[in-house]
Amino acid sequence: DAGITQSPRHKVTETGTPVTLRCHQTENHRYMYWYRQDPGHGLRLIHYSYGVKDTDKGEVSDGYSVSRSKTEDFLLTLESATSSQTSVYFCAISDGGIGGDQPQHFGDGTRLSIL
Amino acid sequence: KQEVTQIPAALSVPEGENLVLNCSFTDSAIYNLQWFRQDPGKGLTSLLLIQSSQREQTSGRLNASLDKSSGRSTLYIAASQPGDSATYLCAVPNSGYSTLTFGKGTMLLVSP
Repeated sequence: DAGITQSPRHKVTETGTPVTLRCHQTENHRYMYWYRQDPGHGLRLIHYSYGVKDTDKGEVSDGYSVSRSKTEDFLLTLESATSSQTSVYFCAISDGGIGGDQPQHFGDGTRLSIL
Repeated sequence: KQEVTQIPAALSVPEGENLVLNCSFTDSAIYNLQWFRQDPGKGLTSLLLIQSSQREQTSGRLNASLDKSSGRSTLYIAASQPGDSATYLCAVPNSGYSTLTFGKGTMLLVSP
């Protein structure tokens, strides 16, 4: 399995609180992605990174920010969590871009509940 | 905007059957297509990635085909086993190549 660790694995918090999810990789891959998975919507990209300090928005980026200060770590922050952000969050990594010949590898996810 | 459809949404078969999962996409200008497997409570596991220049990719009992002109891909599973029970998703790059668009998956149950 690709060396991807997501933390925490489960979190329950209250509306309005800040939340940070961490993705750590040991593969030295250039690309890192944050997705959310919701029933009826499937997997949707939140933000992605194509290098240290290089990030861009995905399909559902409103209410989320990211940072990547080291190759191995990609942080997802919910500045002020809302109930609509209750979801399962997945980190993925890839050694090539979306249109390339390298697959994406996923972490085991973080289940986030916002009450 | 790229749209990906997977049919059927759910499939139940007895062990040993050969089966086909279908994936269709609306924008045929893709560079690749990926098939993933997701077990309950787990992340996605990459099964096969087919480049647009390829017609097929094989890994063990799995064979994936790609027909760009018709906007279709199939995942063939030979001699299914209970351990194959999972949700199978396909994904293609969107037109901007910055994101993947995923289908909603086919939930497969293989009974002993």
